[in-house]
Amino acid sequence: NAGVTQTPKFRILKIGQSMTLQCTQDMNHNYMYWYRQDPGMGLKLIYYSVGAGITDKGEVPNGYNVSRSTTEDFPLRLELAAPSQTSVYFCASSFIDEQYFGPGTRLTVT
Amino acid sequence: KQEVTQIPAALSVPEGENLVLNCSFTDSAIYNLQWFRQDPGKGLTSLLLIQSSQREQTSGRLNASLDKSSGRSTLYIAASQPGDSATYLCAVSPLGKAAGNKLTFGGGTRVLVKP
Repeated sequence: NAGVTQTPKFRILKIGQSMTLQCTQDMNHNYMYWYRQDPGMGLKLIYYSVGAGITDKGEVPNGYNVSRSTTEDFPLRLELAAPSQTSVYFCASSFIDEQYFGPGTRLTVT
Repeated sequence: KQEVTQIPAALSVPEGENLVLNCSFTDSAIYNLQWFRQDPGKGLTSLLLIQSSQREQTSGRLNASLDKSSGRSTLYIAASQPGDSATYLCAVSPLGKAAGNKLTFGGGTRVLVKP
């Protein structure tokens, strides 16, 4: 199993550009999550999904959108990128309890 | 709103010393607590998960305790090694199936084990 995979690993965006961060898991987990981690800080939840077709906001959803059309994929969309969205983004998945994390996407907005 | 705190933010110990990492949370209505390890520039690796009904979990040199009534968890790492150098994060999830097992993270403790 590959576990949770994320693409791209790194990206630089200009202010106002848009992009989609990809996340795929091959463990048939129902739950999937997007977190962001700012330098020297813990992780904050952006959006989560409890199954295909069901998504909900986390603590810091502004400026982001998600969709969940399949069990495996949970892309995160950034519209009109802002410098405040410079961060490392982690995708995670879980069956019931234990969450498994992807390697992260390091995003810089300049 | 749940808040999770980890003190100290950084810790340096000589090799062989036992590590004691602290995590406190404000709302005791938790479903579980999870400890993670994060190496620089890498993702998170799950170390231990403690269900709210449990008092502790052990894996090799790692032992984590949970005291819900006081809102505390402690991660013990016995006989530390330079390879234990990393940032350690704790996170709690709320009660209730509708809560979706969302994690609230502490800020982490950065550990350096000196040879």
